[in-house]
Amino acid sequence: DQQVKQNSPSLSVQEGRISILNCDYTNSMFDYFLWYKKYPAEGPTFLISISSIKDKNEDGRFTVFLNKSAKHLSLHIVPSQPGDSAVYFCAASESGGSNYKLTFGKGTLLTVNP
Amino acid sequence: IAGITQAPTSQILAAGRRMTLRCTQDMRHNAMYWYRQDLGLGLRLIHYSNTAGTTGKGEVPDGYSVSRANTDDFPLTLASAVPSQTSVYFCASSLVPRNEQFFGPGTRLTVL
Repeated sequence: DQQVKQNSPSLSVQEGRISILNCDYTNSMFDYFLWYKKYPAEGPTFLISISSIKDKNEDGRFTVFLNKSAKHLSLHIVPSQPGDSAVYFCAASESGGSNYKLTFGKGTLLTVNP
Repeated sequence: IAGITQAPTSQILAAGRRMTLRCTQDMRHNAMYWYRQDLGLGLRLIHYSNTAGTTGKGEVPDGYSVSRANTDDFPLTLASAVPSQTSVYFCASSLVPRNEQFFGPGTRLTVL
């Protein structure tokens, strides 16, 4: 059973426009969410995170929104740049106790066209 | 060393052979992890270690073993490789209780 779902395998946007990447989760125990960015032949790099006590977190061009009632989060990139072209992974964890394992979605390939 | 290093970068291995993938971090992170990435399946956790001397099983542990003798090193061993273990393997670490994990550059393993 897939606990973190990224239903769009790919997304294509024009440079300067907004990119919106979506993620849904099923485990109600998840209380911390992260987005990672991955270029080909490189390891994933941490992008932005959000705790379940918040509904929004912003860092420059990147904003993550969390809707706990819908078990849904999204990553907004504004404005999109060609260098943003990469695979984006959504991840979730239960931050309490001693368990800090991340559960990842399958990823969304973002292509930003010049 | 800066961050996480993995070795080898890539490897072609005959089925049935034993292989150890190496992972070293210099950030003094308590927790370390091994993931495999397969097309269409994302990143799946193989094994993890919350602190030196302890290990735990992740989502897909069968056919793999790990050890954590010290803080810095977290080797992953395939005792008898099979073609289904062809994948890209990523090691990661985090400073517990932080959730943000830092990933190494990966090892591309092909089992024939």
